[in-house]
Amino acid sequence: DAKTTQPTSMDCAEGRAANLPCNHSTISGNEYVYWYRQIHSQGPQYIIHGLKNNETNEMASLIITEDRKSSTLILPHATLRDTAVYYCIVRSRGGADGLTFGKGTHLIIQP
Amino acid sequence: EAGVAQSPRYKIIEKRQSVAFWCNPISGHATLYWYQQILGQGPKLLIQFQNNGVVDDSQLPKDRFSAERLKGVDSTLKIQPAKLEDSAVYLCASSLVGRVGLAGGNEQFFGPGTRLTVL
Repeated sequence: DAKTTQPTSMDCAEGRAANLPCNHSTISGNEYVYWYRQIHSQGPQYIIHGLKNNETNEMASLIITEDRKSSTLILPHATLRDTAVYYCIVRSRGGADGLTFGKGTHLIIQP
Repeated sequence: EAGVAQSPRYKIIEKRQSVAFWCNPISGHATLYWYQQILGQGPKLLIQFQNNGVVDDSQLPKDRFSAERLKGVDSTLKIQPAKLEDSAVYLCASSLVGRVGLAGGNEQFFGPGTRLTVL
């Protein structure tokens, strides 16, 4: 699976949109981009995934660049409960299912 | 719907002792995973089961770690003997199937983890 690069930490004001970038410049055509988050003292939680089109669900939006070499996770109206470590993960379609986590981005929502 | 259950939540042992962790996945989930998360790092996959068979145990330190999933439901992960570097959170996760499908998906659901401290 392709390697991902994320900033170590980010701050965002409560109520504002939080935009979390991820670089995956070596992604191949059959690889999906997944996002999970881990709130302190909890297990990781699935947020969203996408292949090449932008995706939106009740939690977040995922914007993937046209060349698919990077993506941005958007939390439209961040709350204090969104403070967590956010992991961007690339997974092959039809491939092995275990998740390969990096260090992720520690997002801190400021009141 | 009940989530993934794990026990105990916390365990403190001395090095060279043995320890076991238990996981009960979401009902109907065929695939079960054990991850190790060392402080400050992302989780690392130790072993993946599909029903009661092992799919991937390439990162499991087999000289001291063992896992089983009898009857394809509950699972136990054992460490014998424990070392100081085994101090970590051990996470169990489950999913419906064991491969990323044509539309992606196959979300993994994680339990709260067991925090192990080896003294």
